[in-house]
Amino acid sequence: GIQVEQSPPDLILQEGANSTLRCNFSDSVNNLQWFHQNPWGQLINLFYIPSGTKQNGRLSATTVATERYSLLYISSSQTTDSGVYFCAVEGMDTGRRALTFGSGTRLQVQP
Amino acid sequence: DAGVIQSPRHEVTEMGQEVTLRCKPISGHDYLFWYRQTMMRGLELLIYFNNNVPIDDSGMPEDRFSAKMPNASFSTLKIQPSEPRDSAVYFCASSLDRTKETQYFGPGTRLLVL
Repeated sequence: GIQVEQSPPDLILQEGANSTLRCNFSDSVNNLQWFHQNPWGQLINLFYIPSGTKQNGRLSATTVATERYSLLYISSSQTTDSGVYFCAVEGMDTGRRALTFGSGTRLQVQP
Repeated sequence: DAGVIQSPRHEVTEMGQEVTLRCKPISGHDYLFWYRQTMMRGLELLIYFNNNVPIDDSGMPEDRFSAKMPNASFSTLKIQPSEPRDSAVYFCASSLDRTKETQYFGPGTRLLVL
């Protein structure tokens, strides 16, 4: 099946810093989503972005489908950004409507 | 819309007991997914339905697990008998019936089997 690798696995930032999270995937995708799992365990949709660039406030994402990677940018980080960020993809060739998740990037933003 | 609804939010049970987790998808969504999150294996798909029909149950760990979707607005995931290794967070998600669509996740059920 499709493989998803996220980096870095852990990241510690000071409040106000910027960061870039990366997601590499092994095959063409129909769907790519970025999630934030907050300290209460909820999975919050950040972006649906199988290709192109999107922005939502301090967060933006870019997916280069031809090169099989996606980047999530967090600018001016806040303590509320802490948690685990997951990239999840749905492979195009499998005919299977299911997301395969990466192992996540655990972000800690310190005041 | 209220989003995907799951119940209970927390469940503590003893080994050997039956556990039933419930999910109400977003109205109008034709796909329903059950995922499980553990420290060891991360987030993984258990089973998904399309128009109430199970399509892929290859992720269901063993016969102790079963899932049903009797109608478009309700699904259950049952574990019988439960074991301590079933302790995990179980998420339900739903999406529209189109190839390129966002999956929306419920808040999850945190299960602890003692």
